[in-house]
Amino acid sequence: RKEVEQDPGPFNVPEGATVAFNCTYSNSASQSFFWYRQDCRKEPKLLMSVYSSGNEDGRFTAQLNRASQYISLLIRDSKLSDSATYLCGMDTGRRALTFGSGTRLQVQP
Amino acid sequence: DGGITQSPKYLFRKEGQNVTLSCEQNLNHDAMYWYRQDPGQGLRLIYYSQIVNDFQKGDIAEGYSVSREKKESFPLTVTSAQKNPTAFYLCASSSETSGGQETQYFGPGTRLLVL
Repeated sequence: RKEVEQDPGPFNVPEGATVAFNCTYSNSASQSFFWYRQDCRKEPKLLMSVYSSGNEDGRFTAQLNRASQYISLLIRDSKLSDSATYLCGMDTGRRALTFGSGTRLQVQP
Repeated sequence: DGGITQSPKYLFRKEGQNVTLSCEQNLNHDAMYWYRQDPGQGLRLIYYSQIVNDFQKGDIAEGYSVSREKKESFPLTVTSAQKNPTAFYLCASSSETSGGQETQYFGPGTRLLVL
């Protein structure tokens, strides 16, 4: 079993829709969690950190569920510009992050 | 502007050749990392360095080597022992936030192709 797993998608949603992705992890000692956005042929860019209490940044909400060992990303009112691959990353006992394979989102007009 | 730079953007390697990818950061970050990304896949850790003159192997270190002689520089050499080097190589750096989280930022990447 991979340490960090994501549904690869693609998630095809219409503009204005709400979409949610999950990312499951196997290392219960993980303490730091992140969501990154990666556009085609570009580097990942930090979207948001994920805190135990959950956090929100505009249309984006991230949640952490330690009991079930997953993090989630909710995008409300999807825009065409949200089309990208979303990577989850977390520490797994070393200072470097371990990443999932990414979930591809395609927002359609 | 503070940031991470990688060069070259594209690199072509001949069979049996060693090539070196450059990564420089002016963010004053202690830790630096190298990841490899294959098409449609996530990032896999090659090497990382938490401090100058020290580095650790990641999950796929075979066929690669690094050095960390300066805080701002972490070059990666892809040796001839790496049999399938074609990939997108991403360098990252991080610092610990006041909340204790290690937030990583990425450079623009280098695409390596084998001729």
